Amino acid sequence: EAQVTQNPRYLITVTGKKLTVTCSQNMNHEYMSWYRQDPGLGLRQIYYSMNVEVTDKGDVPEGYKVSRKEKRNFPLILESPSPNQTSLYFCASSAQQNLIPYEQYFGPGTRLTVT
Amino acid sequence: AQKVTQAQTEISVVEKEDVTLDCVYETRDTTYYLFWYKQPPSGELVFLIRRNSFDEQNEISGRYSWNFQKSTSSFNFTITASQVVDSAVYFCALSEGGSNYQLIWGAGTKLIIKP
Repeated sequence: EAQVTQNPRYLITVTGKKLTVTCSQNMNHEYMSWYRQDPGLGLRQIYYSMNVEVTDKGDVPEGYKVSRKEKRNFPLILESPSPNQTSLYFCASSAQQNLIPYEQYFGPGTRLTVT
Repeated sequence: AQKVTQAQTEISVVEKEDVTLDCVYETRDTTYYLFWYKQPPSGELVFLIRRNSFDEQNEISGRYSWNFQKSTSSFNFTITASQVVDSAVYFCALSEGGSNYQLIWGAGTKLIIKP
């Protein structure tokens, strides 16, 4: 089954404690992206990756890191989480090519609470 | 600058009524892509439709239809004979393609269908 998986689904942590949210896709997609969803703001892009070892900032990258060492995995790293990073996070992948955006497939979401 | 506006924060209708969700977008590009996604109470994001700027034909899929009008920069979504299972948050999104494939999201419209 084609899917994007994220772990953990729920996480409560304390300020400053490093954490990683994993994301994996089995569709051989080159493009992957991380979003955060906050009430009234829709989804905002944190980072994206066009391919292995190619990553770039989205609209709200501060406080986050990513890596893309393998095509299927795109972990999101919070080195020192703060309460304003409490949010719902989505990983997505897509078969974008030739400058044409296609449907993005989303993971189930990770609800993060930083106290 | 790109922008997507969904002015209706919340809509509540009785089952079997027709309902239209508005989406107004801003872009300077002549080539762009518009999307609708559904987020049911379970939280996942479900792709509904993608439309490119060169195709202004309206689309119908069962009870769902979309009205794309470049003259008013709108891409509205209508549900005919609504059902309780249509209750969800609906997002409109815009992509200009190019090197990022970034999706710019509206804030979403929460649709409540009462039995």
